[in-house]
Amino acid sequence: DAGITQSPRHKVTETGTPVTLRCHQTENHRYMYWYRQDPGHGLRLIHYSYGVKDTDKGEVSDGYSVSRSKTEDFLLTLESATSSQTSVYFCAISESYPRPNTGELFFGEGSRLTVL
Amino acid sequence: DAKTTQPTSMDCAEGRAANLPCNHSTISGNEYVYWYRQIHSQGPQYIIHGLKNNETNEMASLIITEDRKSSTLILPHATLRDTAVYYCIVSDLNFGNEKLTFGTGTRLTIIP
Repeated sequence: DAGITQSPRHKVTETGTPVTLRCHQTENHRYMYWYRQDPGHGLRLIHYSYGVKDTDKGEVSDGYSVSRSKTEDFLLTLESATSSQTSVYFCAISESYPRPNTGELFFGEGSRLTVL
Repeated sequence: DAKTTQPTSMDCAEGRAANLPCNHSTISGNEYVYWYRQIHSQGPQYIIHGLKNNETNEMASLIITEDRKSSTLILPHATLRDTAVYYCIVSDLNFGNEKLTFGTGTRLTIIP
């Protein structure tokens, strides 16, 4: 299994509070991603990173920010959590350049966030 | 990216081959077909991918029609641990993995 650790795995918080989710990898993969999963919507990309300090928005980025100061860590921050951000969040990694992109994503175990 | 259509759910008897269909009628020449699965509460897991030739690995086989408008994922001897949601995705590798779009997939239930 790919070395991906998400923390915390479970969190309950109140509306308006800041929340940071951490994704840590030991694979030295270049690309890292944050997804959210909600019933009826499948997985939706929030933000991704293609290198240290290089990030870009995904499909549902409003209300989220990310940072990547080291290859191994990708942080997802909810500056002021809302109930609509209650979800399961998955981190994923992949390797690409200079190797050929195989399209294979490796996922973490998920972080369940509840915003009351 | 091209869209895919999968049945919402399927059942398969334990020990039998599970055949999961996927339609991707608008697939372009550079787009690969990927399959992932998600076992309850876990992160999705890559299974297999292919361009136009049939592919096989230790987990499954992927059969892509000659016109590439549909494909079938085959789990040759389904076990209870194969119960999961299976996602069929098409994507152009040249555009990066951020373009992989996960729909709602097929919920496969293996029946004892």
